[in-house]
Amino acid sequence: EPEVTQTPSHQVTQMGQEVILRCVPISNHLYFYWYRQILGQKVEFLVSFYNNEISEKSEIFDDQFSVERPDGSNFTLKIRSTKLEDSAMYFCASSGMFYGYTFGSGTRLTVV
Amino acid sequence: GENVGLHLPTLSVQEGDNSIINCAYSNSASDYFIWYKQESGKGPQFIIDIRSNMDKRQGQRVTVLLNKTVKHLSLQIAATQPGDSAVYFCAELPGANSKLTFGKGITLSVRP
Repeated sequence: EPEVTQTPSHQVTQMGQEVILRCVPISNHLYFYWYRQILGQKVEFLVSFYNNEISEKSEIFDDQFSVERPDGSNFTLKIRSTKLEDSAMYFCASSGMFYGYTFGSGTRLTVV
Repeated sequence: GENVGLHLPTLSVQEGDNSIINCAYSNSASDYFIWYKQESGKGPQFIIDIRSNMDKRQGQRVTVLLNKTVKHLSLQIAATQPGDSAVYFCAELPGANSKLTFGKGITLSVRP
């Protein structure tokens, strides 16, 4: 069964450093998303991406965040200057033309 | 002090019993609803979905019921097993390829 792959599974970074979280969506999906989940809380939407541009973003997704699809397979989330409160699980998801959301296993980001 | 994380409500059931997990959704325009299961350290795993033009859908050991009048969604798990222990989230979408809005989550604990 096709799956969404995320790397790394765990990233530890110092406050103020830049991090890039990587995702390989399902190959025939056209819509890509990032969500995050702070420990013990619900999953929150960050951004959606379609046709090489952001289609929607939440209030959380401020100027410190950016997304990119650098090639035909990868989808990345960059946090320019990490803060302690950015510590969370970050989930990538992709979907096809009709629903079919699939989530990756997540990257645990720890900012120290 | 500040709550770093929310304490999720817990449903405790005996192995072999049926479980019913409830969710109230917020957007009356939502067209599509999904139940996800999340095990510790993993991403949300699709269980079952339902469109707004349906009020019931059955899968293997699971049934989702939708009551649009009161904006209520429920997940029924038949013959609950220890492997069903996890956090369960409902999620809603206003349309295909939109952002998912997740509910708060409920922890299901299965007693052997």
